Amino acid sequence: SQKIEQNSEALNIQEGKTATLTCNYTNYSPAYLQWYRQDPGRGPVFLLLIRENEKEKRKERLKVTFDTTLKQSLFHITASQPADSATYLCALAGSSNTGKLIFGQGTTLQVKP
Amino acid sequence: GAVVSQHPSRVICKSGTSVKIECRSLDFQATTMFWYRQFPKQSLMLMATSNEGSKATYEQGVEKDKFLINHASLTLSTLTVTSAHPEDSSFYICSPTGQGALNTEAFFGQGTRLTVV
Repeated sequence: SQKIEQNSEALNIQEGKTATLTCNYTNYSPAYLQWYRQDPGRGPVFLLLIRENEKEKRKERLKVTFDTTLKQSLFHITASQPADSATYLCALAGSSNTGKLIFGQGTTLQVKP
Repeated sequence: GAVVSQHPSRVICKSGTSVKIECRSLDFQATTMFWYRQFPKQSLMLMATSNEGSKATYEQGVEKDKFLINHASLTLSTLTVTSAHPEDSSFYICSPTGQGALNTEAFFGQGTRLTVV
């Protein structure tokens, strides 16, 4: 069955360091992969989208890589700030053009000052 | 980004009663609406997909008679949890999508925290 795993439930880092979150998937061939931020009691907010034919995408302090051979995406936040503390979700979409997303369970990032 | 309004943000109801959750797309026409449910420390799980004017398609294991979805207009969809039980307590989130935008970023409502006592 299709499975998405994010490397850890929680990640604690010091302010200024780079946070690296991992998303692995099995039994799936996504057309694209997305990363969302979710704050407690709120809906997810879109951060980045990377397509299957793209290796890397950047947006300000964020960087996403996508390795379809390893079936893995890495999400990096450089120069992390306490305001980056949140839960980060990866989501996969198939090529069936339905718009359906399958989410990982999320990794809660805590950036300490 | 698109503006999505979901109400209420929190609701507490008694077992056996019904609760209606509204989701509005304020600045675009939502031809498709996705309803998700999220239990504590778990991922968002898709419950159902509805297209405006059509019956909703439910995911496996989701009872269509318990979770009634109405998507009668391009700007409003509702999810009604009927005869609610404590195990229905969860965080419900809507995600409206416009035509031609199915394979781009998704926008979500603020979520509704339902507690059934």
